[in-house]
Amino acid sequence: DQQVKQNSPSLSVQEGRISILNCDYTNSMFDYFLWYKKYPAEGPTFLISISSIKDKNEDGRFTVFLNKSAKHLSLHIVPSQPGDSAVYFCAAKMGRVGGTSYGKLTFGQGTILTVHP
Amino acid sequence: EAGVTQSPTHLIKTRGQQATLRCSPISGHTSVYWYQQALGLGLQFLLWYDEGEERNRGNFPPRFSGRQFPNYSSELNVNALELEDSALYLCASSLAGYSSTDTQYFGPGTRLTVL
Repeated sequence: DQQVKQNSPSLSVQEGRISILNCDYTNSMFDYFLWYKKYPAEGPTFLISISSIKDKNEDGRFTVFLNKSAKHLSLHIVPSQPGDSAVYFCAAKMGRVGGTSYGKLTFGQGTILTVHP
Repeated sequence: EAGVTQSPTHLIKTRGQQATLRCSPISGHTSVYWYQQALGLGLQFLLWYDEGEERNRGNFPPRFSGRQFPNYSSELNVNALELEDSALYLCASSLAGYSSTDTQYFGPGTRLTVL
């Protein structure tokens, strides 16, 4: 049961334009969402997060939007740079009410972003 | 500030052997997590340790085990290695695993190859 889904395996964007990466989740008990960037054979690097009590969070070129009613979040990168080319993972976490899911991150399958010069 | 460190970087074992992977968390972090990323698969949660105790466990067989030491470093042991255990093993640490808005920071990983 894939509780966190990234339906686009890949995204190609021109340098300077906006990159929009999408993520859907099915479990309404998730209350904290994170985006990570990953290069091959390296560990994920934390980018930005959002709590379920907010609908938007910004950090420099990165903005995450959360639509709780649609169970959907997106990461916007503006402007996109060639160095942003990597695999992007969204992840979700439950609080204490999560029971056996408590504490762990549930990851999507990732989206490969390629930014062309 | 030093990030999460893992050793070794690469590990090659044969079927049936045991593997031991090590992780040092960010200074001040008490929670340590282990994840597996097998080829073509996403990151799967393995184990969570906090204050020396196992707090949660993913859907993996008992031959995957670990422990957390008093200095909060951790070790992951995989017994009776199988070919499908070949994967990138990632360790993460966080400041307060019980907090809803706790962020996990990952190390570079250990690439385990089982021949």
